[in-house]
Amino acid sequence: EDQVTQSPEALRLQEGESSSLNCSYTVSGLRGLFWYRQDPGKGPEFLFTLYSAGEEKEKERLKATLTKKESFLHITAPKPEDSATYLCAVQVGGGSQGNLIFGKGTKLSVKP
Amino acid sequence: GAGVSQSPSNKVTEKGKDVELRCDPISGHTALYWYRQRLGQGLEFLIYFQGNSAPDKSGLPSDRFSAERTGESVSTLTIQRTQQEDSAVYLCASRPTSGKYNEQFFGPGTRLTVL
Repeated sequence: EDQVTQSPEALRLQEGESSSLNCSYTVSGLRGLFWYRQDPGKGPEFLFTLYSAGEEKEKERLKATLTKKESFLHITAPKPEDSATYLCAVQVGGGSQGNLIFGKGTKLSVKP
Repeated sequence: GAGVSQSPSNKVTEKGKDVELRCDPISGHTALYWYRQRLGQGLEFLIYFQGNSAPDKSGLPSDRFSAERTGESVSTLTIQRTQQEDSAVYLCASRPTSGKYNEQFFGPGTRLTVL
């Protein structure tokens, strides 16, 4: 069964304290891994797509990396405005065209 | 341009009543998805529309759930005889057909509470 697991469930950081969020997956035929940010009361906002092991993408203080079994979202010198829930999702081959399988998310809190 | 919009933003209903949720996708986006997000859970795929093709209904949890979409326009998700376990945020997403990436653009969601 295709599965996406995110850890930790919650993470509290001080402003400027760098850390990483993990997304591990067991899927048959990965066609893409996606990171989203979700603020309370809002829909997920797209951040990154990764397609192959070794690929990296960066945006401001965020960097996403991908291996054959997991992805990391590295947050460098976070600010309070980075506080949100970060969702990881995978698109798999053989299933519905384009639907994503989501993890439960990591709730990040950054305190000033 | 305008993003994905959903209405209502909040819906409170009584057990056993029917509800209808609406999604307006981004103009020109041919693919449209419905997801359900229960408290503390990941997003759960419900249904997928792609242009005029038959929808993929494989994620609908029961026959009380149905959805319609006419062409590439508005979609409605209907839940009949609502149950308390239907309480969740219902999210709609759309994406263009062309392009390499499956970047789905989400609406703000409809929070459904079944009393």
